[in-house]
Amino acid sequence: DAKTTQPNSMESNEEEPVHLPCNHSTISGTDYIHWYRQLPSQGPEYVIHGLTSNVNNRMASLAIAEDRKSSTLILHRATLRDAAVYYCILRDGNAGNMLTFGGGTRLMVKP
Amino acid sequence: DAGVIQSPRHEVTEMGQEVTLRCKPISGHNSLFWYRQTMMRGLELLIYFNNNVPIDDSGMPEDRFSAKMPNASFSTLKIQPSEPRDSAVYFCASSWGQSIQPQHFGDGTRLSIL
Repeated sequence: DAKTTQPNSMESNEEEPVHLPCNHSTISGTDYIHWYRQLPSQGPEYVIHGLTSNVNNRMASLAIAEDRKSSTLILHRATLRDAAVYYCILRDGNAGNMLTFGGGTRLMVKP
Repeated sequence: DAGVIQSPRHEVTEMGQEVTLRCKPISGHNSLFWYRQTMMRGLELLIYFNNNVPIDDSGMPEDRFSAKMPNASFSTLKIQPSEPRDSAVYFCASSWGQSIQPQHFGDGTRLSIL
């Protein structure tokens, strides 16, 4: 499986935008980029996914580099509730359903 | 809509005892996954089912672990006999269709083996 690299932790101020980076230099053409987050004492929660084009939903935006070797999850206005571990995961669209979680980025939001 | 339901939420038992964790996936989902989360190893996939059939159990640690899915609305993960190193949070997740579909996770079972 292609791997991803994320910073261990990041800090943000409440109500400011947050850009969470992810490097995936060995991504293959059939790999989708998925983001999940895990709030304290909860199971992981799907955030967003994309293949080549930037994506927006009610939770976040996903910006994908033109060469697809990196991506950025954007939270437009961080709230205290957004404090969580954010996981960037590659999923092969032609293969099985498994999610392989790395260490993720722990986002801390300051009031 | 009800999400993935796991029971019990917490389990404390002595080593050597049998432990059974239960999961009810979201209605209509045809894939079910069992994960384990520890501080040392993070989140690991143990086994996944598609249409009630085990597809990949390569993550199951050893023969003490077994999982079943007798029907589309219920799955169990059993540990017999349990050991202290099995202490972890166990998550069940379900999804529909192909691999790009999101997985929906339950709130987990926190297992402590004394």
